[in-house]
Amino acid sequence: EVVLTQSPATLSVSPGERATLSCRASQNISSNLAWYRQKPGQAPSLLIYGASTRATGMPARFSGSGSGTEFTLTISSLQSEDFAVYYCQHYNNWPPWTFGQGTKVEVK
Amino acid sequence: QVQLVQSGAEVKKPGSSVKVSCKASGGTFSNYAVSWVRQAPGQGPEWMGRLIPLLNIVNYVQKFQGRVTITADNSASTAYMELSSLKSEDTAVYYCAREDMTTNLFDFWGQGTLVTVSS
Repeated sequence: EVVLTQSPATLSVSPGERATLSCRASQNISSNLAWYRQKPGQAPSLLIYGASTRATGMPARFSGSGSGTEFTLTISSLQSEDFAVYYCQHYNNWPPWTFGQGTKVEVK
Repeated sequence: QVQLVQSGAEVKKPGSSVKVSCKASGGTFSNYAVSWVRQAPGQGPEWMGRLIPLLNIVNYVQKFQGRVTITADNSASTAYMELSSLKSEDTAVYYCAREDMTTNLFDFWGQGTLVTVSS
């Protein structure tokens, strides 16, 4: 089973600033990594897939990078709706699909 | 636009079972898989398993093997997840999600069903 480790657990950022989130996989998952944003009381929603491709309708301020075992999600200029929890998820080869424990982005 | 609508919150006793439904509107499960993902309070999501209705194939996470059953009524565009022998640690929000079989991505999610296990 692939274990995904996200860091930091909490990130304090001011509106308009940049946020950088990390996700490390316990084994090589190529580019088969997705990022989700979860707002309070809602289901996760797909942001990025293939490590770097934005999902339909997602703003350009979200970008993803990485492959293999190291991945990064960058939010270039935080908007109010971006203060939420972010999860990475792998979908490499075969289930079980696993998620990271999340990074909470909060207002500084 | 696909919508997945889940059944309402449940309160269950330890040792009992719960069955959560997930109805698709604006689309079907025919060419997709239906996955079930749970999220305990303050925790990350946890994938439990999936059903591929077209192939009638089910995959379960080993942790839940023997306790979880995922089924679907294709004519009603409804999927079900039944979890038995409930424990307090099963208290969580349970989500259904449509999994695109060409990408293995969860593109649409239900609103979630809170299952509380308490004596």
